[in-house]
Amino acid sequence: EVQLVESGGGLIQPGGSLRLSCAASGFTVSSNYMGWVRQAPGKGLEWVSVIYRGGGSYYADSVKGRFTVSRDNSKNTLYLEMDTLRAEDTAVYFCARMGSHRDGWDYRYYAVDVWGQGTTVTVSS
Amino acid sequence: DIQMTQSPSTLSASVGDRVTITCRASQSVSRWLTWYQHKPGKAPKVLIYEATTLESGVPSRFSGSGSGTEFTLTISSLQPDDFATYYCQQYNNYWTFGQGTKVEIK
Repeated sequence: EVQLVESGGGLIQPGGSLRLSCAASGFTVSSNYMGWVRQAPGKGLEWVSVIYRGGGSYYADSVKGRFTVSRDNSKNTLYLEMDTLRAEDTAVYFCARMGSHRDGWDYRYYAVDVWGQGTTVTVSS
Repeated sequence: DIQMTQSPSTLSASVGDRVTITCRASQSVSRWLTWYQHKPGKAPKVLIYEATTLESGVPSRFSGSGSGTEFTLTISSLQPDDFATYYCQQYNNYWTFGQGTKVEIK
């Protein structure tokens, strides 16, 4: 069964650090585009970060320089290292596998096709 | 980053109504746009991608149109299962969601 299970969320003070983990089963993390999406209380969905098959990455402007996405191929696990946390980072963080479709000879990564259940991060003193 | 703006933010409608949601991009995203449906406590579900292509298994009452900077999602006859929040998301230049449109019961 294809599944993503997040862990690592919690209550953290402003300026602190936290590492989220996402254990995948039923598929190989390194063969896919993987990412993190968050939803702040009462707000919409927001892309946070994506790691590409080749290891490159994307970060939203709101987290650039503070968050780092990585993966451990031997554990088939995705991570999000979050530093210098702010109150506005408070959200449910979802791990995501991205689906693709053909665009000529290339592929476009168009949506999340597998979601984790989410882990809550609360930044507050 | 490309900004995506949806309108309206909330929409009140009745079963059987024709519903249209608009999504505007701050710059052209060509046809690289996805629509999701999101219900509380559940994972968002892809309805449409490449602006007009219906995802497998999605009912034909859902349709998408547009290109460039303006897109629409239409539900031809609203069903009880369709009350949810809808998001557009561009994938032309990285990825950006719209702020969402909540479709509620009138």
